[in-house]
Amino acid sequence: EVKLLESGGGLVQPGGSLRLSCAASGFTFTDFYMSWIRQPPGKAPEWLGVIRNKANGYTTEYNPSVKGRFTISRDNTQNILYLQMNTLRAEDTAIYYCARWDVYYGLWVMDAWGQGASVTVSS
Amino acid sequence: DIVLTQSPALAVSLGQRATISCRASESVRSSMHWYQQKSGQQPKLLIYGASNLASGVPARFSGSGSGTDFTFTIDPVEADDIATYYCQQSRNDPTFGAGTKLELK
Repeated sequence: EVKLLESGGGLVQPGGSLRLSCAASGFTFTDFYMSWIRQPPGKAPEWLGVIRNKANGYTTEYNPSVKGRFTISRDNTQNILYLQMNTLRAEDTAIYYCARWDVYYGLWVMDAWGQGASVTVSS
Repeated sequence: DIVLTQSPALAVSLGQRATISCRASESVRSSMHWYQQKSGQQPKLLIYGASNLASGVPARFSGSGSGTDFTFTIDPVEADDIATYYCQQSRNDPTFGAGTKLELK
C-alpha cells in the first residue's frame, strides 16, 4: 500500500524558515516523480513544484510563485521528500501535501497524496 | 498558466445525478483529472485522463470531455459523496479549478 506521511508543520513567524518532510513507503521511491502542493484555508490546491525520478536525474521544477524561496529535495536512502521554505509570508499559511506522480496511458497523474501538514505564518 | 473554471456549488438530492463542469482556458487534450476532497482530508483521485476511473472508485463516478470542456458526473449521488470536487490539468504546469462544493437539497 502506498503511504505518504508529512511532518514538520507548525507556527512560524514572518520571514522565518521551515522544512517539511514526507516519508514514503509501499513503492520504489526512486522510480517516481514527487510533488508538493499546498492548500490555503478555504481555497483550491496550488502545485508548488516537482522533483523527478532517478532516471531523470532528480531535477526540479517550481511554480514561479515560490521559485527562489522554496526548495524541493529528496533523500533516496531513507525514502523522504523535503520542502525547505524560506522567507515565509502570511500568504504561505496553508496545508502542505506531498503527492506521487505516475503515468497512466501516457498521462501524468498525481495518484497518491499524504494527509497534509499545517503551516501557519503569523507573528 | 492554464486557468480552469468550475461552478462554485451544486445542490442535488440523494439518488439523483450530479454533473460538474470544468472549462480550461486553452486545450489540455485529455490531461484532465478529477479529485474528491472531503472536509479535513486530502484530495483523492477519482478520474484521470478525462474519463478513466481510478482504482477502487465506484462506477457511479464518470468523466468525459477533451480539449477545453470537461464534465464529471455522479449517478446516483449517495450521502458519502458530499464533498468538494476539483478538476486539475497536467498538460502544462499543474493547475486546479476552484472547486465545486456538492451539497444536498
